[in-house]
Amino acid sequence: AQRVTQPEKLLSVFKGAPVELKCNYSYSGSPELFWYVQYSRQRLQLLLRHISRESIKGFTADLNKGETSFHLKKPFAQEEDSAMYYCALSNAGNNRKLIWGLGTSLAVNP
Amino acid sequence: EAGVTQFPSHSVIEKGQTVTLRCDPISGHDNLYWYRRVMGKEIKFLLHFVKESKQDESGMPNNRFLAERTGGTYSTLKVQPAELEDSGVYFCASSQAGTVLLSGANVLTFGAGSRLTVL
Repeated sequence: AQRVTQPEKLLSVFKGAPVELKCNYSYSGSPELFWYVQYSRQRLQLLLRHISRESIKGFTADLNKGETSFHLKKPFAQEEDSAMYYCALSNAGNNRKLIWGLGTSLAVNP
Repeated sequence: EAGVTQFPSHSVIEKGQTVTLRCDPISGHDNLYWYRRVMGKEIKFLLHFVKESKQDESGMPNNRFLAERTGGTYSTLKVQPAELEDSGVYFCASSQAGTVLLSGANVLTFGAGSRLTVL
């Protein structure tokens, strides 16, 4: 079955601490992996996609095909990182149908 | 550039009534998607339009849901008759056509969502 699992509903860290939001997936084929973020009172927006291999707002995510994971990491969390984070995947073709995880709410405390 | 616009932002109706949600995608975006988030569950794909054609409607829950995209521009999602389990947030997203390698292509831009409450 195609599935995205985010094991943590809530993650609370202190400002300046490292943060890792976990994402595991099961998919037959070659998926494309994404992290979307929703800040308070804002829209869902793309944070990262694995094919871009870039760092956005200090966040990085590496696709590990062996472990079928796409964990989101940031070495030093900031208060403005507090948001809902969703991991999602789609097939690598033109169909952008996304399969979503439940989301992890990240709270960065001062 | 105007973003993806959804209307209404919140609708409260009684079971058995009809509701129509509207989505205006970004101008020029051929791809339009509807998703739904029911409380406590994952965001789920409903359907995908390419221009005015339904590319994939495998996520539509049942025949009480009808989606249209007139002339390949805005889209409507009608629920008739609404049931309690239809409550949730309905998201619309759009993307431009193109291959994965084209910068920005196939990246979804989401609307703010339409919250539907069925009493």
